[in-house]
Amino acid sequence: QSALTQPRSVSGSPGQSVTISCTGTSDDVGGFNYVSWYQQHPGKAPKLMIYDVSQRPSGVPDRFSDSKSGRTASLTISGLQAEDEADYYCCSYAATYTSWVFGGGTKLTVL
Amino acid sequence: EVQLLESGGGLVQPGGSLRLSCAASGFTFSSYAMSWVRQAPGKGLEWVSTISRNGGRTYYADSVKGRFTISRDNSKNTLYLQMNSLRAEDPAVYYCATTNYYYAMDVWGQGTTVTVSS
Repeated sequence: QSALTQPRSVSGSPGQSVTISCTGTSDDVGGFNYVSWYQQHPGKAPKLMIYDVSQRPSGVPDRFSDSKSGRTASLTISGLQAEDEADYYCCSYAATYTSWVFGGGTKLTVL
Repeated sequence: EVQLLESGGGLVQPGGSLRLSCAASGFTFSSYAMSWVRQAPGKGLEWVSTISRNGGRTYYADSVKGRFTISRDNSKNTLYLQMNSLRAEDPAVYYCATTNYYYAMDVWGQGTTVTVSS
């Protein structure tokens, strides 16, 4: 299982929107609706932001949303805020192999 | 408060063994599958292993299969990862996480650091 493909970095100004893509295969992203997104600030543990197609855990603002088309999932952050600056990882359950695969991570910079 | 607390990390020689623990509190531990995820220094997240709610099913990444063993003791609300034959590519922060019905990891511990060096 190869890692999912994410852009290394994205950036945006406060108030703008950014989208982070996550591309996999038909065995993971393309085959099932089990993509989740995680935010990680430096030196901190990852935090679940979105799962099961736009389900947000309690406390995650609705500025965070996701979508999926074929083998590519996307995380969109609207109304960028300074505290959104972090690394973001996608993850997909791959039922074919009963395994999980993460993306390489995307560093979001808020300009 | 829902909490996961990892322990057991440390320095071990190549080929050595280490057992990580993850103590859970604030929720019904036996209702959740549990996972280990690691992060090598300066690198991204890597799924390591997952165990079902009753411990009857276990799953491993190819990179650790045959060397690592995940287990749990629901009476002690504790998750374990026995790591044998440790290699130069295993050093990382190891996180435990609850794994929900939608295969997402929704609560994470703070991590424990494993270093492999002679």
